[in-house]
Amino acid sequence: SAVISQKPSRDICQRGTSLTIQCQVDSQVTMMFWYRQQPGQSLTLIATANQGSEATYESGFVIDKFPISRPNLTFSTLTVSNMSPEDSSIYLCSVLLGTDYTGELFFGEGSRLTVL
Amino acid sequence: AQKITQTQPGMFVQEKEAVTLDCTYDTSDPSYGLFWYKQPSSGEMIFLIYQGSYDQQNATEGRYSLNFQKARKSANLVISASQLGDSAMYFCAMREGAGFQKLVFGTGTRLLVSP
Repeated sequence: SAVISQKPSRDICQRGTSLTIQCQVDSQVTMMFWYRQQPGQSLTLIATANQGSEATYESGFVIDKFPISRPNLTFSTLTVSNMSPEDSSIYLCSVLLGTDYTGELFFGEGSRLTVL
Repeated sequence: AQKITQTQPGMFVQEKEAVTLDCTYDTSDPSYGLFWYKQPSSGEMIFLIYQGSYDQQNATEGRYSLNFQKARKSANLVISASQLGDSAMYFCAMREGAGFQKLVFGTGTRLLVSP
């Protein structure tokens, strides 16, 4: 298993500001993922973050809005830029343990952002 | 088309009873994995159970079992002897293909367990 720590756990932000969410894993992992969960909705993948390369973004998400860093195999950050109330969501970091389709995805506790 | 469909927005069950949460999936890939996660009100995602497309037997983990019907493309979660702490959102998810790690989630089912 993996222990994943996310910071902050929750925050209230002003419109137009940016916030960086940190994700720390207790073991080295190749692939890390960032998900968004809007209120009352399911999880949507924002991007896949691989160490040493640029993140791969899903349709509807762009680097200018959600820049991601992956400086090493245990750490990643997601920035939510120029926030608006529509960005109010839970943002979850997750890591893949195992390979291919049999690997298990572990999640951090989530960062609950409210944008006023 | 929806990859994962959970048709039950909410389910009620009495404590100590069993409950089945429905999940159907859509894929043409013979290799895939199916997952169930629990999300309490605190927001974290808790892994419950996994079923691989080539697994011969239904997965079980304690009070959780997965009723895997491959021909019908369904992977229902069965919770036996429900407890008050089981009240949460439950998400079914799928990962397709060898080497393709993206997990696609259903819309979830909110389970409420009453005393």
